[in-house]
Amino acid sequence: KQEVTQIPAALSVPEGENLVLNCSFTDSAIYNLQWFRQDPGKGLTSLLLIQSSQREQTSGRLNASLDKSSGRSTLYIAASQPGDSATYLCAVRGGVDNNDMRFGAGTRLTVKP
Amino acid sequence: NAGVMQNPRHLVRRRGQEARLRCSPMKGHSHVYWYRQLPEEGLKFMVYLQKENIIDESGMPKERFSAEFPKEGPSILRIQQVVRGDSAAYFCASSPLDRTYTFGSGTRLTVV
Repeated sequence: KQEVTQIPAALSVPEGENLVLNCSFTDSAIYNLQWFRQDPGKGLTSLLLIQSSQREQTSGRLNASLDKSSGRSTLYIAASQPGDSATYLCAVRGGVDNNDMRFGAGTRLTVKP
Repeated sequence: NAGVMQNPRHLVRRRGQEARLRCSPMKGHSHVYWYRQLPEEGLKFMVYLQKENIIDESGMPKERFSAEFPKEGPSILRIQQVVRGDSAAYFCASSPLDRTYTFGSGTRLTVV
């Protein structure tokens, strides 16, 4: 059974810092991994999707990496801004016919001005 | 394209009442997924539906919960005889055939 863990649970940084959020998963046989952002009381916004054959994806100040063999993914945020404050969720999909996208509990990020 | 629409945004029910949560997928999306998020926890898969078919309900509690996605109209997640433990945020996602998920803003159910 796939288990997804995110560390740290909460992170507070001053504006301008580069930071890394971590996601680990127990079963390396994944179809893809996706990072989402969730603002308080809101839904999920997809940030980056990495297919199992890929090593990383980049979008603006965000870079996500995937190391399937070690069961790890990182989300790197460069030059953090107060607007980046949110909960970041990592989700793993187990197979093309697997409809069970497993989510981590999230990292709650606060960027202080 | 209005995105995935969920309503109501907030729902309060007394113990024993029924809760009906609605999800209108994005235009052109034929796949709907329901997830539940308990406080301080990640999202848990509940059910996957296509029009008029339940494809995977492995995450649904065995009793009191049901879901449908009729030929016309939104997908409905129905919870009968709600209990306090049902209080959570319920999210719906839709996707086209390539399974790129788009999530709605969720329905926050509070059982009092």
